[in-house]
Amino acid sequence: NAGVMQNPRHLVRRRGQEARLRCSPMKGHSHVYWYRQLPEEGLKFMVYLQKENIIDESGMPKERFSAEFPKEGPSILRIQQVVRGDSAAYFCASSLDTNTEAFFGQGTRLTVV
Amino acid sequence: AQSVTQLDSHVSVSEGTPVLLRCNYSSSYSPSLFWYVQHPNKGLQLLLKYTSAATLVKGINGFEAEFKKSETSFHLTKPSAHMSDAAEYFCVVSGGSNYKLTFGKGTLLTVNP
Repeated sequence: NAGVMQNPRHLVRRRGQEARLRCSPMKGHSHVYWYRQLPEEGLKFMVYLQKENIIDESGMPKERFSAEFPKEGPSILRIQQVVRGDSAAYFCASSLDTNTEAFFGQGTRLTVV
Repeated sequence: AQSVTQLDSHVSVSEGTPVLLRCNYSSSYSPSLFWYVQHPNKGLQLLLKYTSAATLVKGINGFEAEFKKSETSFHLTKPSAHMSDAAEYFCVVSGGSNYKLTFGKGTLLTVNP
């Protein structure tokens, strides 16, 4: 059973471009969470999704950031018109439900140049 | 509201000596507490968790942590460090919403031969 798969592992974007980060949860998991880790900081919650629904996006910036978890396919975190401050590691986690362990992926390291 | 403070950003020990990674927390709820480990280029792995059962929690790879409510602490220990323990360790708290994890900034553990 493969773990949580994130791709790409590393992503370089120029300022103003779009970044798309993908997360395939563990098999059977329908709950997905995205976290962001800025340099020298701990991971911070961004958004919690279930299939086709955003449950909690309280940690996600209101502008330029969006997330989806379609019925088929991976969860996508999309950042439009990236800026230098978006450079960070973005981690995805998945779980069976909210009371069981969340398993984390290896993260996508976004660098905006 | 909840927060986590990891008191040391970097801990260096010799192989075979004890490990102590310190963590203090604050939470408005009866907290669940976790320690995660991140090896280079790997995802986050759950070491152990406290969920209001026994205050001394045993985890994988010989690690354990003790929940001390009076001191609001959840320090991670291991009697004898191994080279493979070198990694970054995160103390994590969750409160009323189990899915929303609050991470400390991490402690980098170095193990010297």
